[in-house]
Amino acid sequence: SQKIEQNSEALNIQEGKTATLTCNYTNYSPAYLQWYRQDPGRGPVFLLLIRENEKEKRKERLKVTFDTTLKQSLFHITASQPADSATYLCALDGNGSSNTGKLIFGQGTTLQVKP
Amino acid sequence: GAVVSQHPSRVICKSGTSVKIECRSLDFQATTMFWYRQFPKQSLMLMATSNEGSKATYEQGVEKDKFLINHASLTLSTLTVTSAHPEDSSFYICSAYSGTISYEQYFGPGTRLTVT
Repeated sequence: SQKIEQNSEALNIQEGKTATLTCNYTNYSPAYLQWYRQDPGRGPVFLLLIRENEKEKRKERLKVTFDTTLKQSLFHITASQPADSATYLCALDGNGSSNTGKLIFGQGTTLQVKP
Repeated sequence: GAVVSQHPSRVICKSGTSVKIECRSLDFQATTMFWYRQFPKQSLMLMATSNEGSKATYEQGVEKDKFLINHASLTLSTLTVTSAHPEDSSFYICSAYSGTISYEQYFGPGTRLTVT
């Protein structure tokens, strides 16, 4: 069955360091993968979308890579700040390569950036 | 990004009553809205897809008679939890989506439902 896995253990890092979060998937051939940020008691906020033909995408301090051979995406936050502390979710379209908008989410990784 | 609102943000109801949650896309016309549910320490689970002017489609295991969805316009979808039970207590989140513009989704702030 289709599965998306993120490291469920919280990631604690020091301010200024680079945070790297991992998203692995099985039994999918996604056309794109998305990353969202979720703060406690709030809905997710869209961060980045990367397509299957893109190896890397950047937005300010954020960088996402997408390896369709390894079936893995890495999400990096450089020069991390305490305000980056949140849960980060990766998501795929549940219908794989087609675009239905029906997202399947990983369980999320909670990032804690310490000053 | 687009703005999506939800109302109410928090509701407490008694077992057996019904609760309506509104989801509004404030600055773009969403061809599709999705409803998700999130239990504590868990990820979002898709419940149903709501398309304007047509019946909602539900994910496996979600009772359509219990979770009534109405998508009256391109900017408004409502979820009614009927005959609520304590196990329906959860965080309900909607999202607005326009696959013709982009693939990202814009989520509402969520509604915390507590059934006593």
